[in-house]
Amino acid sequence: GEDVEQSLFLSVREGDSSVINCTYTDSSSTYLYWYKQEPGAGLQLLTYIFSNMDMKQDQRLTVLLNKKDKHLSLRIADTQTGDSAIYFCAESINLVDNDMRFGAGTRLTVKP
Amino acid sequence: DGGITQSPKYLFRKEGQNVTLSCEQNLNHDAMYWYRQDPGQGLRLIYYSQIVNDFQKGDIAEGYSVSREKKESFPLTVTSAQKNPTAFYLCASSTGTGQETQYFGPGTRLLVL
Repeated sequence: GEDVEQSLFLSVREGDSSVINCTYTDSSSTYLYWYKQEPGAGLQLLTYIFSNMDMKQDQRLTVLLNKKDKHLSLRIADTQTGDSAIYFCAESINLVDNDMRFGAGTRLTVKP
Repeated sequence: DGGITQSPKYLFRKEGQNVTLSCEQNLNHDAMYWYRQDPGQGLRLIYYSQIVNDFQKGDIAEGYSVSREKKESFPLTVTSAQKNPTAFYLCASSTGTGQETQYFGPGTRLLVL
């Protein structure tokens, strides 16, 4: 089947930038998403990008998409301790919501 | 405030017992979903419903059942046939038009005694 892959752990110091990477295998992916999950909570949509875009910026968050390499990244500038969470990458192969596929999540730890 | 709620936050199940997880939304969304999350894994779709009185199996429907009698509610029953029910269960909803993403509830953690 089609996969979404992420590294499981990332540790950074407070104030540094964090870059969380994701790769996917289906070239027909239309929408790509980043979700944040804090301990004991549901998923929170951070941002999403259409496959015809290369970059999207929203305050401290920058999403980069390399469609040729099927690589998606989330950069968090000036990382804070409150950013510590699990970050999930997800894709929609088409425009139907029930076709979303998630990665296993990257646990970001921010050290003071 | 509009949103999606799940209850309870924690649920304990004894062997051989059925338990029902609640999911309610007041977002006027047509579509609702149930996911299961296990450590180190992404979300896996259990069931989804795109309209009242209709629902479809997802990737891991065995041992689960759902109903969609009301637009606002999509309860999930974990039956005794589900041999490994311990997990974090997330409910989500969306307008179902395919133009936007899903909104998630806070989740229910199910533990087997």
